[in-house]
Amino acid sequence: DAGVTQSPTHLIKTRGQQVTLRCSPKSGHDTVSWYQQALGQGPQFIFQYYEEEERQRGNFPDRFSGHQFPNYSSELNVNALLLGDSALYLCASSRGVNYGYTFGSGTRLTVV
Amino acid sequence: GEDVEQSLFLSVREGDSSVINCTYTDSSSTYLYWYKQEPGAGLQLLTYIFSNMDMKQDQRLTVLLNKKDKHLSLRIADTQTGDSAIYFCAEEGTNAGKSTFGDGTTLTVKP
Repeated sequence: DAGVTQSPTHLIKTRGQQVTLRCSPKSGHDTVSWYQQALGQGPQFIFQYYEEEERQRGNFPDRFSGHQFPNYSSELNVNALLLGDSALYLCASSRGVNYGYTFGSGTRLTVV
Repeated sequence: GEDVEQSLFLSVREGDSSVINCTYTDSSSTYLYWYKQEPGAGLQLLTYIFSNMDMKQDQRLTVLLNKKDKHLSLRIADTQTGDSAIYFCAEEGTNAGKSTFGDGTTLTVKP
């Protein structure tokens, strides 16, 4: 049983560009959350998707947007990249919104 | 807003017990979690405790919750070198689905 799958694993972008990260949730899970983890810090909640809608949002600017598809997979889009967007982006899935989450291995984004 | 704090480092000898501590500020926390992160990997959920419990045991792991002091601890019995990792405490309150994480405690297990 595959867990949470994220692609790509690593990405290098130039400041000002746009990026799309992808996530396939664990089988049987319908809720996807995205987190940003800067080096040496804990993950910071970006937003959560359920039934193809954004349920909750953390303290991130509108440059961060997302989408959830009917098959529960999800995308995270970041526009106008800044150097400070360099981080590990983690996707987590769950069945419903409680009881802990299954995390993917993340996408390491480097903005130069 | 919500805040979660952990000590940054802990070093123990193989076979000893490890105790990782965490404090949080959200008095409405419903679930409290412990995650493990190994180098280059995502987060692995180790265990969680519901706020109306004060203790939970799962094999070598024991979680203690003092809700009055907003203090959570994770005890790992018979710590092994494979337990070396970063351990994150996280809480989830009224905003179900939004977890607030601490910055992690790096556990080093020496042979």
